Amino acid sequence: DVKVTQSSRYLVKRTGEKVFLECVQDMDHENMFWYRQDPGLGLRLIYFSYDVKMKEKGDIPEGYSVSREKKERFSLILESASTNQTSMYLCASSRAGGQQPQHFGDGTRLSIL
Amino acid sequence: AQSVSQHNHHVILSEAASLELGCNYSYGGTVNLFWYVQYPGQHLQLLLKYFSGDPLVKGIKGFEAEFIKSKFSFNLRKPSVQWSDTAEYFCADSGGGRGYQKVTFGTGTKLQVIP
Repeated sequence: DVKVTQSSRYLVKRTGEKVFLECVQDMDHENMFWYRQDPGLGLRLIYFSYDVKMKEKGDIPEGYSVSREKKERFSLILESASTNQTSMYLCASSRAGGQQPQHFGDGTRLSIL
Repeated sequence: AQSVSQHNHHVILSEAASLELGCNYSYGGTVNLFWYVQYPGQHLQLLLKYFSGDPLVKGIKGFEAEFIKSKFSFNLRKPSVQWSDTAEYFCADSGGGRGYQKVTFGTGTKLQVIP
C-alpha cells in the first residue's frame, strides 16, 4: 500500500513565522501535490511537482513556496504565516499520467495565531 | 478554466435509502474523472474512476457512477446506504493525459446517514 506521511498532524504557529510542512511518499511516485482543505471550498491546489526540482503553481500559490530536492519528499513553506493560512493541508502523490489516482496523507491541521 | 461542480453540499439520508450525488465537470476534451471519499478522521481515498469505455463504472463498497458526456455529468450512486457511508465525497477531474496532472476537485458533499 502507498504510504504518504505528513510530518505533523497538528501544528500551531504565530503570525509572521516561517512554517515548513513536510511530506514523504514511499512508492517512487513522480507527482506530488499540496492542497488546502477548507469547509465549503473543497480541496484547492497550492502547488504540484512532477519531478525533482520541478514545480508548478496551482490555483492558490500566493504566500506559499515549495521544495522538492528528493523524489520522495515535497515540502510546503509558508514564508510569513498569516491568520488566513489557518487550514487543513493535504499532501498527495501519484504516478505520472492523468489517469493515475492520487494517494493522500492524513493532513496537517495548521493554526496561525 | 477547468471546473468541477457538486451542487449538493450536505445530504442526510436514512439507512437503506438510495443515494445519488451530483457532479458536473466543465472540460470538454479528454476526461479523467474520479470520486474520492473522506471518512471522519481519515485520509481521502479513491472510490472509483472513469477514463473511457463502459460509462457505468463500479467502485468499492457498492458504489457506482455513470458518465453522461452530453450532460457533462459523473454522478455517484449507491442503491442502499449504510451508517458507515457517513463521510464527505469529492468529485475530481484531471482532464488530460500528460505526464503530470493538475487535478480539479469539487467542493465536496457531506453525507450523513441516520441509523
